[in-house]
Amino acid sequence: GQQVMQIPQYQHVQEGEDFTTYCNSSTTLSNIQWYKQRPGGHPVFLIQLVKSGEVKKQKRLTFQFGEAKKNSSLHITATQTTDVGTYFCAGRTDKLIFGTGTRLQVFP
Amino acid sequence: DSGVTQTPKHLITATGQRVTLRCSPRSGDLSVYWYQQSLDQGLQFLIQYYNGEERAKGNILERFSAQQFPDLHSELNLSSLELGDSALYFCASSVGLGGPYHNEQFFGPGTRLTVL
Repeated sequence: GQQVMQIPQYQHVQEGEDFTTYCNSSTTLSNIQWYKQRPGGHPVFLIQLVKSGEVKKQKRLTFQFGEAKKNSSLHITATQTTDVGTYFCAGRTDKLIFGTGTRLQVFP
Repeated sequence: DSGVTQTPKHLITATGQRVTLRCSPRSGDLSVYWYQQSLDQGLQFLIQYYNGEERAKGNILERFSAQQFPDLHSELNLSSLELGDSALYFCASSVGLGGPYHNEQFFGPGTRLTVL
């Protein structure tokens, strides 16, 4: 069945360092969404990418959708302690399948 | 606050028992989704309902069932509970059905189920 994998599983960074998580799907996606889940919280929608090669920015966050629409990445510039949480991609075919998530820890 | 409500917040029960989790979607949202999140695990999609009808099924066990009522609230029924069913169960809602321009999902706070 359809699988969406994310790497790395965990990432610990010093505040101010950059962070990137990668998402790979076994099948071509019609779109991809990204969510953030704070510790003890629920997933919160960040963004949706639809077009091949699309790049979107939200302040320090940059999201990319691959040309083949099978992979995506989220890059955070100059991390802050408020960025702590688990970042999930969710790829859409006939249903939305969430990736395995990357847990980000930021040390001050 | 996402506008999605879930009850109860916590549930502790014994193996073999049956429980019902309840979800009220955001006002105006017609789709309801159920997810299971085990400790340190990702989100496993269980099932989606749209305007009262089942629309998509994920890795939902036969011991689990769900329905969406005319007022659009949804219930997830878990029966013959096993220790491995202990998890956080999230409900999410969205405006539409999904598709290429899939609507964002708004998640509730979750119900933490502990099976002893």
